[in-house]
Amino acid sequence: AQSVSQHNHHVILSEAASLELGCNYSYGGTVNLFWYVQYPGQHLQLLLKYFSGDPLVKGIKGFEAEFIKSKFSFNLRKPSVQWSDTAEYFCAVNANSGYSTLTFGKGTMLLVSP
Amino acid sequence: DAGVTQSPTHLIKTRGQQVTLRCSPKSGHDTVSWYQQALGQGPQFIFQYYEEEERQRGNFPDRFSGHQFPNYSSELNVNALLLGDSALYLCASSLNNEQYFGPGTRLTVT
Repeated sequence: AQSVSQHNHHVILSEAASLELGCNYSYGGTVNLFWYVQYPGQHLQLLLKYFSGDPLVKGIKGFEAEFIKSKFSFNLRKPSVQWSDTAEYFCAVNANSGYSTLTFGKGTMLLVSP
Repeated sequence: DAGVTQSPTHLIKTRGQQVTLRCSPKSGHDTVSWYQQALGQGPQFIFQYYEEEERQRGNFPDRFSGHQFPNYSSELNVNALLLGDSALYLCASSLNNEQYFGPGTRLTVT
């Protein structure tokens, strides 16, 4: 069975600071990788995804993530955060088995101060 | 195009009772998955329905059961509620390995 580990439970940044949220997964086979975001009071939304191809994927709102297969990692980055990025971020993995079920990490709560 | 909808939004039940939560998938989606999100945790997979059959199941006891109807909508039933069942229950519908989540049902067991 696969598992996902997110390195930080809480991150506090000032506006314009750079962001990197760590995510590692354990699974020996081919995986699809996702980052979801949950803004306060809203439902989970897909930020970006990796299925195959270029390991650097770009998502919405200026976020990007890099898949490093040798490190089993899929870290999320943003060069300059905004107050509106305050949210909880979840990394998730789907074993590429034809089913779409997701295994999530515990999440990272990002607080951006103005 | 309506997204994934869930009802009710909030629910309070007593230990030992039974509860039914409902989900309507996004238009065109035929697969529905249910997740439990406890406070401070990521969502945990409960089960997935496709063509009215349970296709995959996570590590949840038999007290958790479900159903999918011909119109692809789905129900999650939990029997003999425990305090530990208090959580946000999320429904997701999927197409091409990408899941779209509903707003969830907040269940409180007292």
